[in-house]
Amino acid sequence: KQEVTQIPAALSVPEGENLVLNCSFTDSAIYNLQWFRQDPGKGLTSLLLIQSSQREQTSGRLNASLDKSSGRSTLYIAASQPGDSATYLCAGNTDKLIFGTGTRLQVFP
Amino acid sequence: DAGVIQSPRHEVTEMGQEVTLRCKPISGHNSLFWYRQTMMRGLELLIYFNNNVPIDDSGMPEDRFSAKMPNASFSTLKIQPSEPRDSAVYFCASRMTNTEAFFGQGTRLTVV
Repeated sequence: KQEVTQIPAALSVPEGENLVLNCSFTDSAIYNLQWFRQDPGKGLTSLLLIQSSQREQTSGRLNASLDKSSGRSTLYIAASQPGDSATYLCAGNTDKLIFGTGTRLQVFP
Repeated sequence: DAGVIQSPRHEVTEMGQEVTLRCKPISGHNSLFWYRQTMMRGLELLIYFNNNVPIDDSGMPEDRFSAKMPNASFSTLKIQPSEPRDSAVYFCASRMTNTEAFFGQGTRLTVV
């Protein structure tokens, strides 16, 4: 059974810092891993999808990596901004998407 | 495409009543997922469909919950009878097999 863990559960940083969010999964037989963002009271917005054959995926200030052998993925956010404040969720895909509990990020001015 | 569309956005009902949540997936997507989100348990997968066929309903909490997908453009999640502990945000998501998944805005259900 796939289990997904995210560390840290919460993070508060000043604007401009580079930061790393971590995601661990137990079943390495994933097809891909997807990162989402969720603002309070809103739905989930897809940020990045990394296929199992890829090691990295970039979109703007976001960079996600995937290491299937170790069961880990990281989301790197460069030059954080207050608008990045949200909950970030990762989901491992083994036919079905299983989510971690998320990292709640606050970026203060 | 308008994305995944869920209705209603908010639902308040009395305990014991039947509740039906609706979802229209993105056109062309062949997989559809129903999730429930609460503060205590996070995002839980309830059931998912491939090509309109239920594949895994092991996350459905009780027999009070049922889901259908009569065609590729519509799915329902029904709770009968509803209970206060069913209060949560219910999300629907769709995708093509093993590609990027997209979520609807969710239905906030309150059972009083």
